[in-house]
Amino acid sequence: GDSVTQMEGPVTLSEEAFLTINCTYTATGYPSLFWYVQYPGEGLQLLLKATKADDKGSNKGFEATYRKETTSFHLEKGSVQVSDSAVYFCALSHQAGTALIFGKGTTLSVSS
Amino acid sequence: GAGVSQSPSNKVTEKGKDVELRCDPISGHTALYWYRQSLGQGLEFLIYFQGNSAPDKSGLPSDRFSAERTGGSVSTLTIQRTQQEDSAVYLCASSLGTSGEQFFGPGTRLTVL
Repeated sequence: GDSVTQMEGPVTLSEEAFLTINCTYTATGYPSLFWYVQYPGEGLQLLLKATKADDKGSNKGFEATYRKETTSFHLEKGSVQVSDSAVYFCALSHQAGTALIFGKGTTLSVSS
Repeated sequence: GAGVSQSPSNKVTEKGKDVELRCDPISGHTALYWYRQSLGQGLEFLIYFQGNSAPDKSGLPSDRFSAERTGGSVSTLTIQRTQQEDSAVYLCASSLGTSGEQFFGPGTRLTVL
């Protein structure tokens, strides 16, 4: 069945460091790919998405590129801030209106 | 507010009792989803509604779990004879039928003693 694998955390960085959180997936066909973020005490929020191969999703300085050849959707940010501390979830869905399949989440902690 | 709302925010119950969790989706969203977030299992899909029908119930862990949706809006997730392993945060999300982007509520934290 379909699945999403994320790097295990926690990831601990200093402010202004470069961030990469790895995400790979196993799925038939061409799923849509998502990154969701959960800030402390808050609900899940969509951070960015990509719906086809080579698409780049971006938001709030975060980017991820849909790589069909490596079945990956790694999340990157050039300079993290303390306010980016949160849990990040990679997810896929096969078509609009279907359930999301999530990775287990990666906790990011950024210190000043 | 315009977001997905869930109630109660916290629920503590005794093993063996029944509980009902409520979700109010964003107005106009035809699709509604229930997920469960627990330490050991991460985020798991439970059930999906399109309108009032549930084409995908594949994630419900046992027959103690059921859900309904009325009027294409509010949904209730019911857990009968709760067990300690049911303790988790239950998340609801909604989306427009064809957009694919799901908007999540704040969740209900269920603790079964």
